[in-house]
Amino acid sequence: SYVLTQPPSVSVAPGQTARITCGGNNIGGKSVQWYQQRPGQAPVLVVYEDTDRPSGIPERFSGSNSGTTATLTISRVEAGDEADYYCQVWDSSSGHLYVFGTGTKVTVL
Amino acid sequence: EVQLLESGGDLVQPGGSLRLSCAGSGFTFNNYVMNWVRQAPGKGLEWVSGISGSGDNTNYADSVKGRFTISRDNSKNTLYLQMNSLRAEDTAVYYCAKGAIALSGMTTPFDLWGRGTLVTVSS
Repeated sequence: SYVLTQPPSVSVAPGQTARITCGGNNIGGKSVQWYQQRPGQAPVLVVYEDTDRPSGIPERFSGSNSGTTATLTISRVEAGDEADYYCQVWDSSSGHLYVFGTGTKVTVL
Repeated sequence: EVQLLESGGDLVQPGGSLRLSCAGSGFTFNNYVMNWVRQAPGKGLEWVSGISGSGDNTNYADSVKGRFTISRDNSKNTLYLQMNSLRAEDTAVYYCAKGAIALSGMTTPFDLWGRGTLVTVSS
């Protein structure tokens, strides 16, 4: 089955930039989504199709995808960005039509 | 207001059955793919099942195939998940999630999630 690997945690000071990676075999050939999940809340879509943002998501959130790594970048980090972040792809060849990454906890120092 | 509201979670014994419901409002329900995603306590997200807007096309994760059945009643704007032969490893919060693109194929981002309903499988 297709596996997406994320770092368990990323720490960043307010106002700095956080980068969260998502590694997978030829992930650059797939469409990547990113979800934010604050503690005790449901996930929220923050980036879709590698680089697009849904309405209402700040421009501080951006995505990229190439080769074996996709990246979610959060610029000018705020305390409210502290959350778990999950990448996701579609993979019809695996046992799951949708595959989620292992998740990354972003801590704002 | 656009929203999803799950219900039906409960404590059930191993081998038992449960049916979850998800009521959608504020959007044209039958135009969108709907999915179930679960999250075991302290763990990550796992996609469980998806269904097309018409209900004609369904997909399942290998971990639930043959035990769970997804369905929808578009006249009631409601999504269902019938869960049979439940196991301890099915214990999780179950979220319903709406596809982002109207009249799309099965693969679409999830742009709206419910608050989830807790299923606990234990004796």
